Formats: sequence, structure tokens, C-alpha cells
Amino acid sequence: DAKTTQPNSMESNEEEPVHLPCNHSTISGTDYIHWYRQLPSQGPEYVIHGLTSNVNNRMASLAIAEDRKSSTLILHRATLRDAAVYYCILSMETSGSRLTFGEGTQLTVNP
Amino acid sequence: DAMVIQNPRYQVTQFGKPVTLSCSQTLNHNVMYWYQQKSSQAPKLLFHYYDKDFNNEADTPDNFQSRRPNTSFCFLDIRSPGLGDAAMYLCATSRWWGQTDTQYFGPGTRLTVL
Repeated sequence: DAKTTQPNSMESNEEEPVHLPCNHSTISGTDYIHWYRQLPSQGPEYVIHGLTSNVNNRMASLAIAEDRKSSTLILHRATLRDAAVYYCILSMETSGSRLTFGEGTQLTVNP
Repeated sequence: DAMVIQNPRYQVTQFGKPVTLSCSQTLNHNVMYWYQQKSSQAPKLLFHYYDKDFNNEADTPDNFQSRRPNTSFCFLDIRSPGLGDAAMYLCATSRWWGQTDTQYFGPGTRLTVL
């Protein structure tokens, strides 16, 4: 499976934008980029996914580099509730909906 | 609200004593998953069911088994729990087994092995 690399931790201030990076230099042309997050003491929850074009939804935006070797999850205005571990995951065409979680980024939001 | 429910939220068992964790869903999804998440680690897929078809991950120990008697329910059986099996066990569902299918997770059951 293609691997992702994320910083172990990041900090942000409340109501400021947060840019969470993910490197996936071995991504193949049909791999989708997924982001999930896991709040403390909860199961992971879906955030967003994309293939080539940038994507927006009510939770976040996903910016995908033109060469697709990296992507950035953007939280437009961080709240305390956004403090979580954020996982960037690639899904392969041949692997169905299997998710292989990496270590993720622990996001701390300061009041 | 449609959801994934796991009971109990906390389970304590003794070393070697079989234990069963349960998961139910009201989403009517075809696929159900079990993950193991040890302390400070990422979730790791153990197996999944697509409808009644069971699919084991290659490195899942034989000590772990699963049953899915109907669409709504799925059970995780640990035949002889060891201390190393203490973890959070997460159940998830998705409508289909597709590359873009979203997984919906339950809150997890935290298993303690004494």
C-alpha cells in the first residue's frame, strides 16, 4: 500500500485556520485520499476525501497538489472541538473500502 | 439518528476467559468491520464482513473470530484473551465495499484483561 507521512503533532489557536499536511509521494493514479479524525475517547469519523481536484464540504477543505504527491486538510476556523488525531489515508482501487491508518497528526487547539 | 452502537463501552475479562463484544447498526449497511486500537496507536483492521462473507486480514491472530447473524449485528469473539489483547475495539460500517465508501464508526469498547 502507498504510505502517507504526517507530522506527529500540530497546534493552532481557536478561530484561526489550520492546515494539516500529508505527504504521499508513492501515490498511484487511482488512489483516493481520505481524511478521518478521531476525537478523544471516540471512534474515528469521516472528514473528506478526494482524487485530483480540491474538495470542500461543511467540515473542511481538501487541497491536493497538482502532482498528487501531497495534500492539505484545511479547517477554516478551528474550534476547541476540532482537537483530535487527524488521519490521512490512501485507498487503492484493488483494496475496496479498506482503511489502513497511519500514525496521524495530533491537533491541539488553544483557546 | 442512524448509528453504530457498541455494547458494552467497557469490558473487563480475565486472562484466558472468552469474551464477546457486540456491535449493531441502524444504517442497513452491507459491510461491517472490526478494528483493534491499542493505547496511543492507530486503529488496525482485524476483519470485515461483506453481507455474510467473512474476510480476515492476513495478520489477524486466530484468537479473534467474528459472527454476523444478520445485517444489523456483528460480534467479535476473543477465544482466550491475553494481556496483549487489552485495547479499544472499534466497529464500523459502510454501505458498500468501494474505494470511496465512507466508514461510520461506533464509539468503541475498551477491553481490559486482568
